[in-house]
Amino acid sequence: DQQVKQNSPSLSVQEGRISILNCDYTNSMFDYFLWYKKYPAEGPTFLISISSIKDKNEDGRFTVFLNKSAKHLSLHIVPSQPGDSAVYFCAASGNTDKLIFGTGTRLQVFP
Amino acid sequence: EAGVAQSPRYKIIEKRQSVAFWCNPISGHATLYWYQQILGQGPKLLIQFQNNGVVDDSQLPKDRFSAERLKGVDSTLKIQPAKLEDSAVYLCASSTGLTGELFFGEGSRLTVL
Repeated sequence: DQQVKQNSPSLSVQEGRISILNCDYTNSMFDYFLWYKKYPAEGPTFLISISSIKDKNEDGRFTVFLNKSAKHLSLHIVPSQPGDSAVYFCAASGNTDKLIFGTGTRLQVFP
Repeated sequence: EAGVAQSPRYKIIEKRQSVAFWCNPISGHATLYWYQQILGQGPKLLIQFQNNGVVDDSQLPKDRFSAERLKGVDSTLKIQPAKLEDSAVYLCASSTGLTGELFFGEGSRLTVL
């Protein structure tokens, strides 16, 4: 039972354009959502998070949007840079700090 | 601030052999996690410790996997005997338990032949 889904395994975007990564979840008890970024041979690193009491959180080039009614969140990267090329994981948690991860989306930003 | 340390980075063993991974979390982090990441999948929680007590081990295959966190600091994850499907990256993470953010180590890549 995949509670957190990232249906796009890969995404290719030109440098300077917007990257939009999507994530869907099924468990309505989730109330905290995070995005992690992972480079090859490294552990995931925290990127940005959002609580269910908000519908948007912004940090520099990164913005996360949450649509609770649709159980959907998205990560926007504007403008995209080659250094953003990595695998992005969406994760969610409920009343514990246990994180459930999606399967990841590989983003490639080309010049 | 030192990050989460894991060793070994890479390990190759034959099926039915045993292997152990070690993790030292960020100083002061009470919560420690072991995740398994199989190629092409997201990290899956194996076990979560709060200090030296187990909070969640519902996804740990207890017939072959074991983990301990003596003294509430570093932790070891053991697999005995290993199966081919155990080939994965084993990620250790720690957190304060206050923000929901986990800090991950670089992982230990296991290949079972």
